[in-house]
Amino acid sequence: DAGVIQSPRHEVTEMGQEVTLRCKPISGHDYLFWYRQTMMRGLELLIYFNNNVPIDDSGMPEDRFSAKMPNASFSTLKIQPSEPRDSAVYFCASSIQGVSYGYTFGSGTRLTVV
Amino acid sequence: EDQVTQSPEALRLQEGESSSLNCSYTVSGLRGLFWYRQDPGKGPEFLFTLYSAGEEKEKERLKATLTKKESFLHITAPKPEDSATYLCAVQGYNTDKLIFGTGTRLQVFP
Repeated sequence: DAGVIQSPRHEVTEMGQEVTLRCKPISGHDYLFWYRQTMMRGLELLIYFNNNVPIDDSGMPEDRFSAKMPNASFSTLKIQPSEPRDSAVYFCASSIQGVSYGYTFGSGTRLTVV
Repeated sequence: EDQVTQSPEALRLQEGESSSLNCSYTVSGLRGLFWYRQDPGKGPEFLFTLYSAGEEKEKERLKATLTKKESFLHITAPKPEDSATYLCAVQGYNTDKLIFGTGTRLQVFP
């Protein structure tokens, strides 16, 4: 298995532009999580899905952020409009409920908003 | 509110110098405590899961232990390749999400 695949690896965009981050979870995993990592705040959970349904989006910073999971093999995190304070590394992770090894993370997308 | 605090923030060790990393937590019913390793430019990589106080897990030079309020990651005779950020996370009973600490950045030099 190729693991959790995220794209792009790096994204540089101007303030006000729309940004879309993509994630392909491990086949057979029924949970998908979006995290954001910064030096100051560490890893913060933004939203997670179970069987493609959003379960908890309480970590989504504001209405500028949205996430979708149209099928079991694909998810997107969209920021519109983007702001410099959104600059961070965004991780996607997937898991199977009840499995003791927690999540499997992707390699992340480093977002820079200038 | 579930919370995880890790200390120290950074640790520099000489190769072979054993030490411990601390993870203090508060959670409304612990379902599991997780340790991850993160290398620069990569996502966190799973190391251990601990479920109950008194439990221990080992992998090569690493041993994780758990009490009712904290977990320790003991590193015995570390090597430079053990240099990484070590993250601790907890999962409560009524949730599927992990709450992470901010990590301990470990540097082991020859």
